[in-house]
Amino acid sequence: SQTIHQWPATLVQPVGSPLSLECTVEGTSNPNLYWYRQAAGRGLQLLFYSVGIGQISSEVPQNLSASRPQDRQFILSSKKLLLSDSGFYLCAWTGSDTQYFGPGTRLTVL
Amino acid sequence: GDSVTQMEGPVTLSEEAFLTINCTYTATGYPSLFWYVQYPGEGLQLLLKATKADDKGSNKGFEATYRKETTSFHLEKGSVQVSDSAVYFCALMHQAGTALIFGKGTTLSVSS
Repeated sequence: SQTIHQWPATLVQPVGSPLSLECTVEGTSNPNLYWYRQAAGRGLQLLFYSVGIGQISSEVPQNLSASRPQDRQFILSSKKLLLSDSGFYLCAWTGSDTQYFGPGTRLTVL
Repeated sequence: GDSVTQMEGPVTLSEEAFLTINCTYTATGYPSLFWYVQYPGEGLQLLLKATKADDKGSNKGFEATYRKETTSFHLEKGSVQVSDSAVYFCALMHQAGTALIFGKGTTLSVSS
């Protein structure tokens, strides 16, 4: 069966520091992968999606970036975090016309 | 563009009460429709889905019927439990493999 992992689970970072969040999927090949952000008390915002290695589409221009160095690995990065980057970051993959989510990373920027 | 609108929360119910969370959508063609549930501090879990008009998705006592004529996918449960307390998201997928479009979520709180 397929599983999706995210780490770290929680992260507290100072403003201006770099960020790297990792997502990996097991049990499937060449999945479509997604990064969403959920700000406190708000819905989910699609940040990036990828249909293959090295192929990244950005939905919202901001100081975040994404990379897909391997088939089942999706990384979310920032060179300098802003206070507004705080939120719950969810990675997801699509299979059988359904999207499945990871456990999420809670990011607090202070 | 495509969009999903769901009722604002929070919804507060007593245990064993009947639940309805309204969801309507705007989309061309025939999207797939989903309900996801998010328990505190966790990611989203698929609750149920429907892929074509008049389909009924069901899981754990929850049901929703894909109504093309009213562009709706309302979530219902006959008797809620305290453990159902969570945030519920309605979503659509316009084309297989594409990103979901979510509603803003509805918080359900069930008391004993």
